[in-house]
Amino acid sequence: GAGVSQSPRYKVAKRGQDVALRCDPISGHVSLFWYQQALGQGPEFLTYFQNEAQLDKSGLPSDRFFAERPEGSVSTLKIQRTQQEDSAVYLCASSLRVLAGRWETQYFGPGTRLLVL
Amino acid sequence: QQQVKQSPQSLIVQKGGISIINCAYENTAFDYFPWYQQFPGKGPALLIAIRPDVSEKKEGRFTISFNKSAKQFSLHIMDSQPGDSATYFCAASIRNFNKFYFGSGTKLNVKP
Repeated sequence: GAGVSQSPRYKVAKRGQDVALRCDPISGHVSLFWYQQALGQGPEFLTYFQNEAQLDKSGLPSDRFFAERPEGSVSTLKIQRTQQEDSAVYLCASSLRVLAGRWETQYFGPGTRLLVL
Repeated sequence: QQQVKQSPQSLIVQKGGISIINCAYENTAFDYFPWYQQFPGKGPALLIAIRPDVSEKKEGRFTISFNKSAKQFSLHIMDSQPGDSATYFCAASIRNFNKFYFGSGTKLNVKP
């Protein structure tokens, strides 16, 4: 079946612009994660949804970052007033569900590469 | 502060050789340790994972060794092939599984 898809794949923004990044998880996956991957670094957790509920947003670096998943499927990560330090690859991952005591594989999308000039 | 420390940053191995990547962690609450493989322009893909109740897990040419007392784990790639050339990330998670903490990555280059 189809994997996690993200759009756009590349985005160039001028400093101060708002951007919106989209994630389509694997059909039926309850859990959705956003990560930020700086050049040459490992992904860093941003936020997590279970269905439409945002259960953890501890990794969002500032109040300029906002994520939503209103119907429990597609998610959008929005960055307001972009800054140069926001330049990174934004990865989305989904998993079937998160249950206490269970391990579920996270499946990653190809990412959106954001460049802020 | 980085929750999972990974080394080396880069690794060059001859075809047929053994590639070894090491990771260390401090948080004893971690109880799931996956390794991800990432090719340029692609998202990370799960390679192999281990829980701390076992000391080793093998899948084909890939083996994870886990040392709970030392809080270290490593990935061994036997008979390394040029197609294994990629960036490898270790990660750690806690049982409720709502986030992964990734290492900084190891760029592996397998020479033909």
